[in-house]
Amino acid sequence: ILNVEQSPQSLHVQEGDSTNFTCSFPSSNFYALHWYRWETAKSPEALFVMTLNGDEKKKGRISATLNTKEGYSYLYIKGSQPEDSATYLCASKAAGNKLTFGGGTRVLVKP
Amino acid sequence: EADIYQTPRYLVIGTGKKITLECSQTMGHDKMYWYQQDPGMELHLIHYSYGVNSTEKGDLSSESTVSRIRTEHFPLTLESARPSHTSQYLCASSESSTMKQFFGPGTRLTVL
Repeated sequence: ILNVEQSPQSLHVQEGDSTNFTCSFPSSNFYALHWYRWETAKSPEALFVMTLNGDEKKKGRISATLNTKEGYSYLYIKGSQPEDSATYLCASKAAGNKLTFGGGTRVLVKP
Repeated sequence: EADIYQTPRYLVIGTGKKITLECSQTMGHDKMYWYQQDPGMELHLIHYSYGVNSTEKGDLSSESTVSRIRTEHFPLTLESARPSHTSQYLCASSESSTMKQFFGPGTRLTVL
């Protein structure tokens, strides 16, 4: 079983501020890295699927980077808004294995 | 909006009862998954299916069983519910094992 770690577990952000948080995963036999956003009372929703080292993806004010050699990915939120409040999950897939989820980072954006 | 559905959304049931959690998707995905999540913990894969008549156990041991008789339907059954089965159960599907997963709204199960 892969160990996928996310930090911090939770963070409070003032509206308008930018923030970022980390997902670390075993780099051996890396295949894909997923980011999901899970809002309260809703289903987890995919943000990004990344496969290439150095890849950077962007969706509105949210972006993610990937370093497969050292086994980490950053998720950035620019100009946080209250609607960005959610738990952000990352999940890593190694060749021959299933997707393994981290514990998530709970983001609360304060107006 | 993902076309994947789970029923019931909430279930409170007594020990020893047999229960079936329903999951269905209308996207024609071959790959379907069941995850279990305890409060504050990670999502853990308990079952998956790569197509009709294909089911496998996930990384987390579970006393539940699944079946995949039709592409769109992936029900999970507990023959005799126990308080230790109290958890949230999430169903998901994907077009392939590397592509993004679409999640249902989950079933929150409480066994008294």
